[in-house]
Formats: sequence, C-alpha cells, structure tokens
Amino acid sequence: SQQGEEDPQALSIQEGENATMNCSYKTSINNLQWYRQNSGRGLVHLILIRSNEREKHSGRLRVTLDTSKKSSSLLITASRAADTASYFCATRGPNFGNEKLTFGTGTRLTIIP
Amino acid sequence: DTEVTQTPKHLVMGMTNKKSLKCEQHMGHRAMYWYKQKAKKPPELMFVYSYEKLSINESVPSRFSPECPNSSLLNLHLHALQPEDSALYLCASRLLQGQKETQYFGPGTRLLVL
Repeated sequence: SQQGEEDPQALSIQEGENATMNCSYKTSINNLQWYRQNSGRGLVHLILIRSNEREKHSGRLRVTLDTSKKSSSLLITASRAADTASYFCATRGPNFGNEKLTFGTGTRLTIIP
Repeated sequence: DTEVTQTPKHLVMGMTNKKSLKCEQHMGHRAMYWYKQKAKKPPELMFVYSYEKLSINESVPSRFSPECPNSSLLNLHLHALQPEDSALYLCASRLLQGQKETQYFGPGTRLLVL
C-alpha cells in the first residue's frame, strides 16, 4: 500500500522563486528521504532526514520533519530551470534491518524560465 | 564509481518471448533492488536482494524471475509477460553499513510488451 502522499501533485513556478512540496506518511519511520527524477530516468537521492531530526539543509534544499504529524516538507530555494523534475519522498520503516523504501505519490515541479 | 548501470535501455518484446534485464554496480553495495514504475506513478518495489540472497518478494508474478549471480550483478528474467507489464524497470543498490543510507538508482530499462 502507498505509504506517502505528496502535495501538490503538480507545481509550476517562475525561475528564482521558492518551491515547497509536502509529504505525509502513515506509519512510524526510521528516516525519510527525498529523491528527484528527471523525465523517464532514474531517481537521484537528494537528502535524508532521520526520525529524531527536525530540519536539515543541503545547498538550496531544506527539509523539515514533523513526526507528530507524520509529515515532511521539501523547500527548494531560488529555483532554476534545471530543477524541473518529479520529486518523491520515501520512507524507511523503524525496524532494524528494514530494507524496504516506500515512495510517495510524487510532485511534478515545473520551473518557468 | 557511484554508478548503477542497466541494460538494455529499451526493450520491446512479445508476450511469448523470454528476455532478461541486467543491472550492475561496483560500489560494493550488498543490497540490490528491482522496482517497477508506471508513467506518472512512484516506483513500486518488486524484489530485494541482500548479500546475494532474496530477502523481499513483493508478491510479484512468477513471470518475473530475479537472479543475483554475484554481489555486483542483478538480473531480472522475463517470460510470458502481459501488455500491462509495460513500464520503466529500475534497479537500485544500497550500502549496508550502519547508518549509511543512500539508494543509487540506475537509469532504467523501458519495457514495452506487445
């Protein structure tokens, strides 16, 4: 069953603006990860936040995690045309050795030059 | 080398054909994954191999048969597929070492079943 739901499903913004996408999940997690996928290609790992962390930064990316609400957000600042892609959150369950990564429904981001 | 390679990039097959997808990584990762992805949908886990042993099979039909001949190579054998099996098939690998946590994905094989 689908673990994560993301919103919005699609987002179009002007280049230079910030983009925010949200992810909600249903069960306890060990960590939550964000991936980017350019059209029809493989996924690229962006950032990981552990269940005991609340915020993490990497370059123009900022991720927050609220385990009480079972939700996360990804903020991309100063967007560029190259950021146009689909973005997926993915969660790993809490049990030691859990190898399964469950993906959310994804947000399709379009940056308008 | 932080790359996962997949061959072929594209594959067209009939419902009676037998074909194989190949995935390779040389990062020393001991977990390897097959995912299926339909258009505009998230990847769906199919199989996980951990230390060359099948550890997860997500109730995948037997017309998909995975194989892990060694720690660097992962195959997916296809036989008697259906048109609804047309999708992007993604391979990924992950280092199993304490808290290290990154999945590396290959570019995928786009499969069309006629």
